[in-house]
Amino acid sequence: AQRVTQPEKLLSVFKGAPVELKCNYSYSGSPELFWYVQYSRQRLQLLLRHISRESIKGFTADLNKGETSFHLKKPFAQEEDSAMYYCALSRETSGSRLTFGEGTQLTVNP
Amino acid sequence: NAGVTQTPKFQVLKTGQSMTLQCAQDMNHEYMSWYRQDPGMGLRLIHYSVGAGITDQGEVPNGYNVSRSTTEDFPLRLLSAAPSQTSVYFCASSYRQNFDAGTEAFFGQGTRLTVV
Repeated sequence: AQRVTQPEKLLSVFKGAPVELKCNYSYSGSPELFWYVQYSRQRLQLLLRHISRESIKGFTADLNKGETSFHLKKPFAQEEDSAMYYCALSRETSGSRLTFGEGTQLTVNP
Repeated sequence: NAGVTQTPKFQVLKTGQSMTLQCAQDMNHEYMSWYRQDPGMGLRLIHYSVGAGITDQGEVPNGYNVSRSTTEDFPLRLLSAAPSQTSVYFCASSYRQNFDAGTEAFFGQGTRLTVV
């Protein structure tokens, strides 16, 4: 069975500081990895996916199959980045069935 | 284009009562899912559907029923509410998986359910 782990429930940084949200997964096949974000009083939305290799709002994430990790990084955090972040995994044949991590609440202080 | 719409937004039930959480999407997505969100546990899959007439269980299906009579609608039924079902419920939909682009799930705004 697949599993996603986000070791930090809470993460607090100052504006302009680098931020890294950790995500580790366990799955024997070739997974699709995603980062979803939930801003205050808004619905959950996709931030980025590993297969697109894109940078969204300054965030990047690299899939490291050797370490089974998909950490989310941003070099200079902004106050508007404060939100709940979820790492999620989808098996290659499972359609949209997602396995989520526990979530990390990021707070960017002024 | 409303996306994924859930009703109601808030609900309080007494133990033993039944109710249906509604979910509708207007994007013609094949896949629809229900998740529950609990503090410290992330989102967990309750039930999902790959198309009209086809449903299957997720990680935490006990106490919940679903049906998919149309592509647009995917209601979640609580048969006999229990305090352990107090949670925030999210419905999601997506296209059939595209291996080139990844499969983005679109979420509703959630239903906050309290069982007393």
